[in-house]
This record gives sequence, structure tokens and C-alpha cells, in this order.
Amino acid sequence: KNEVEQSPQNLTAQEGEFITINCSYSVGISALHWLQQHPGGGIVSLFMLSSGKKKHGRLIATINIQEKHSSLHITASHPRDSAVYICAVRAIKAAGNKLTFGGGTRVLVKP
Amino acid sequence: ETGVTQTPRHLVMGMTNKKSLKCEQHLGHNAMYWYKQSAKKPLELMFVYNFKEQTENNSVPSRFSPECPNSSHLFLHLHTLQPEDSALYLCASSRAHRAAGNTIYFGEGSWLTVV
Repeated sequence: KNEVEQSPQNLTAQEGEFITINCSYSVGISALHWLQQHPGGGIVSLFMLSSGKKKHGRLIATINIQEKHSSLHITASHPRDSAVYICAVRAIKAAGNKLTFGGGTRVLVKP
Repeated sequence: ETGVTQTPRHLVMGMTNKKSLKCEQHLGHNAMYWYKQSAKKPLELMFVYNFKEQTENNSVPSRFSPECPNSSHLFLHLHTLQPEDSALYLCASSRAHRAAGNTIYFGEGSWLTVV
């Protein structure tokens, strides 16, 4: 079992729909990252959080440290949101910026 | 544009070839990383350089040889690779590896195919 599990693995939505991606982890962490990877391969960091909730535009990330769970929400989804969304955690025991990655959630938003 | 540039974006090489991947960051960071992303597998950390010194080698085969001449440049030298080494290789940088809490910036990746 991976230390970081994401669900669902694949998600298809219609434009305008609300999307939720889940991330569960099994170790104590100091931070959790949400990353976006477009088909070309490049990865962009969306959020880094260690508690509570962060919002950027139509994206909202929440984390529950006690339950070892984080969610990424996309409101009013748009075809340009189509990408792979990756959850990554920095374990408390890990040195510096060493991250453990989830398998990613592939999101397709249809017009 | 994340400030981390990788070249080439695509590379096809034979198993007996020697090639190199290049990464350059314009962010003033001191830590640089090589990651491997194989099909249907999570990202795997390969190497970490902190202030030009290699601080982590994640049990990577010796056919992959990293080089970090300065804090802005990172290379991955490739020699006698296997078809299973075909993957997306991602470079990343951050302020300093030991300082937790720093955002990591990724490059666009180099798609490698070994034939």
C-alpha cells in the first residue's frame, strides 16, 4: 500500500461542474502539496498547506491533519482544468524537501 | 514558465548511446532535484543536490550519472540505458533542501525513449 493514495484515479466532468479530488496518507506530515501536471509533462505547484484551507481562484484545498486527509476542489470547472492532479506529502521524518507522491488523478473536463 | 528550463524536451536514444539531460534554473535556488515519472507510477526522487553537493541518491543505477557544476545547472548523464528507463525525467529546484516548507518548482520535463 502506497503511503499516499488518491481517489478517484480518473474523473470526467462537464464544464461548470464542481470537482473534488481526495488524498489520504498514512504518515505524520509537515506539509502537503497539490500539483498540476498538464499533458506536456510540466508540473505546477498549486498549493502547499499544513492545516486548514487555502483558496486560489476557483481552486480550494483543505486538509484534516487528524484524519490524514486532504481534498482539492475545483469550482465551475473548465476544459482548461483538464490535467493530472498530484498530491505529495513531506513526512515529518523526511529530510528537508523530500516528498512522497500519490499516483495522481486524471481529470477531463468536457465542454 | 516556472523558471526551471529543461533540454531536450524529447530524446530518443539507443541502448549503447551516451546522452545528457540538462536543467537550468533562474530562481536563485540552492537545491536541485531529478525525478523520474514512469507510466502509471508515482513520481520517484532520483537525486538531490544542495549547494552543489549531492545529498541524496535514491538507489539509482550507475547508468544514470548526475552532475551539478553550480547551483543553477544540473545534468543527468545517460549511458547504456535499458528500454525500461523510458520515462519522463523532471528537474526541480527549491531554496534549500534542508529547509522544510519551501515550494518546489518543476521544469517541463524531458521525455526519454530508449530503443
